[in-house]
Amino acid sequence: NAGVTQTPKFRVLKTGQSMTLLCAQDMNHEYMYWYRQDPGMGLRLIHYSVGEGTTAKGEVPDGYNVSRLKKQNFLLGLESAAPSQTSVYFCASSYGTGGSYEQYFGPGTRLTVT
Amino acid sequence: QQQVKQSPQSLIVQKGGISIINCAYENTAFDYFPWYQQFPGKGPALLIAIRPDVSEKKEGRFTISFNKSAKQFSLHIMDSQPGDSATYFCAASITVYQAYNTDKLIFGTGTRLQVFP
Repeated sequence: NAGVTQTPKFRVLKTGQSMTLLCAQDMNHEYMYWYRQDPGMGLRLIHYSVGEGTTAKGEVPDGYNVSRLKKQNFLLGLESAAPSQTSVYFCASSYGTGGSYEQYFGPGTRLTVT
Repeated sequence: QQQVKQSPQSLIVQKGGISIINCAYENTAFDYFPWYQQFPGKGPALLIAIRPDVSEKKEGRFTISFNKSAKQFSLHIMDSQPGDSATYFCAASITVYQAYNTDKLIFGTGTRLQVFP
């Protein structure tokens, strides 16, 4: 099992450009999450999904959109990138909700917006 | 307040020493407190976790101490090893009632631990 994979690993964008980050999991998990990690700020939840076809906003959703067309995939889109979106993005998945269900994280995507 | 305050920001420990990382919270609705370990270039991975009805949980060299009345919890790494060098995040879980009810993790800001031989 590959677990949670993310593509791409690195990306540089110019302000105003758009891109999509792909997250895939092979654990048949219902719940998927997108976080951003910034120095000194820990991980902050951007959007999450509780199952195929569902999405919901997290703590910092502005400037991002998501889609969960297939259970195993969770896409994060930036329609018009801004320098403030320079960050490391992590996808995670879990079998259920509730803190006791471990969230499994992908290796991250480092995004730089110039 | 949905915040978790973590300290110190960085920690240097000699091999064999004890590493201690502290976290504090305000919201009594938090009901689960995991610790995540993150190595450079990797995603965080669950290390150990505790529920608020337990005061201590030990797994090998890693122990969580939980003080419900003080709203504080801490991670103790006994006999610290160079392989423990990583960033550690405390977190707290809370149920959120929105379009989809779910539990969310609120992370602390992280502690970079360096263990020197």
